[in-house]
Amino acid sequence: AQKITQTQPGMFVQEKEAVTLDCTYDTSDQSYGLFWYKQPSSGEMIFLIYQGSYDEQNATEGRYSLNFQKARKSANLVISASQLGDSAMYFCAMRELIQGAQKLVFGQGTRLTINP
Amino acid sequence: DADVTQTPRNRITKTGKRIMLECSQTKGHDRMYWYRQDPGLGLRLIYYSFDVKDINKGEISDGYSVSRQAQAKFSLSLESAIPNQTALYFCATSDWVSNQPQHFGDGTRLSIL
Repeated sequence: AQKITQTQPGMFVQEKEAVTLDCTYDTSDQSYGLFWYKQPSSGEMIFLIYQGSYDEQNATEGRYSLNFQKARKSANLVISASQLGDSAMYFCAMRELIQGAQKLVFGQGTRLTINP
Repeated sequence: DADVTQTPRNRITKTGKRIMLECSQTKGHDRMYWYRQDPGLGLRLIYYSFDVKDINKGEISDGYSVSRQAQAKFSLSLESAIPNQTALYFCATSDWVSNQPQHFGDGTRLSIL
C-alpha cells in the first residue's frame, strides 16, 4: 500500500527566508506522481506543484520547487523567499492510478507559520 | 464562478438525520471524488466515480453513499449521521491525464451533534 509521511507537524520561519517541507513516500509502483497542496485557514485546497516519477528535472512553479530524490523516496517542497501569505497547512500526496482514475493518498500535513 | 461548487458550505445537524452534500463542476472532467478531512489529518477518499455508470468505494466508505446524477454532479449522502462523521468534506474532479492535479471544491464543514 502506498504511504506518505510528513514528519514536521509544524514549522516557524522568518519572512523572506527559504523553507523546506519534508515528504517521504513508500510505493512499489514504478510509475507514480507526487503533488503538493496548500490549505489556508479558509479551508480550500490549492494545487502547488507536481512531480512525476519519470520526470528527469525537478519541478518548479514560481517560488515553489520540488527536491525530488527518487532513490531516497523523498519529494520535499522548497518555498523560496517566504511571504506572510504562505502561512498555511501543506499536504504532500501520492497519485495511484486505478483504471484511469487518480486515487490520492495524503500525508498528515505540515502547518507552516511565517513570522514577520 | 468556481469550477467545483459544493453545497452547503456549512451544516449543523443532529444524530440520526439524513444529510446530502452536493457537488457540481464546470470543468468537464469525467472523474469525481469525495474526501473527508478530520482535524490535523490529511484527506481520505470516501468514494470516486469514473462516469455516471461507474462508482467505486474508497478507503472509508462505510456509513456513506453516493449518486452520480450526471457527468457534472456527484452527491454524497449520510443516511443516518453520527457524531464521528463530523469533518470537512471535499469534492474533487480530474481528467484522465495522470499528471494533472485534482481540482477541489471549497469544502463543506459538517457538524453532527
